[in-house]
Amino acid sequence: DAGVIQSPRHEVTEMGQEVTLRCKPISGHNSLFWYRQTMMRGLELLIYFNNNVPIDDSGMPEDRFSAKMPNASFSTLKIQPSEPRDSAVYFCASSLGVARVANYGYTFGSGTRLTVV
Amino acid sequence: DQQVKQNSPSLSVQEGRISILNCDYTNSMFDYFLWYKKYPAEGPTFLISISSIKDKNEDGRFTVFLNKSAKHLSLHIVPSQPGDSAVYFCAAYSGAGSYQLTFGKGTKLSVIP
Repeated sequence: DAGVIQSPRHEVTEMGQEVTLRCKPISGHNSLFWYRQTMMRGLELLIYFNNNVPIDDSGMPEDRFSAKMPNASFSTLKIQPSEPRDSAVYFCASSLGVARVANYGYTFGSGTRLTVV
Repeated sequence: DQQVKQNSPSLSVQEGRISILNCDYTNSMFDYFLWYKKYPAEGPTFLISISSIKDKNEDGRFTVFLNKSAKHLSLHIVPSQPGDSAVYFCAAYSGAGSYQLTFGKGTKLSVIP
């Protein structure tokens, strides 16, 4: 099991550019989550999918952010246009079922460190 | 409004002694609580959890205590080892079909050899 795979690990981009972060969840997991970690706000949920369908996107900061899950093995988080305040570490996580989340949590990827200059 | 709070940003402990990390919550609907451990440049990894119907759960050197009336939980690490140096996140979960974990901001534990 390769775990949750995120790419790229690091991304440096200029303000105004489009940024796409990618995630491959663990095979068989039916829920996928995008989190953002900053010093000020800690780990905050941006959006989550269940069976490829977005369930709650209330954490998405604004219309510049969008996320898709075209199939069970791939998801993207896009920021267009990017701004310096978007600089953070973005984590993707996946899980299987309600009972497993309660007792075992999610499995996180290693994150993408985004720097917008 | 932060529903899960870890009021100590950092903690230093001597190797071999007990580490106690604290967490407070405000939402009475939370019914499971989890602790995650995070090393630099890695994602958080699950450590231990506790159901709201219990007041203690133990796994090796790690024990989590829950005080529902005080809306407070703590993670005890005994004995502390240098490899335990990491950021520890408290997280809370409300069932009823919600898969979301709400996280605290974390406490950085440093175990001094």
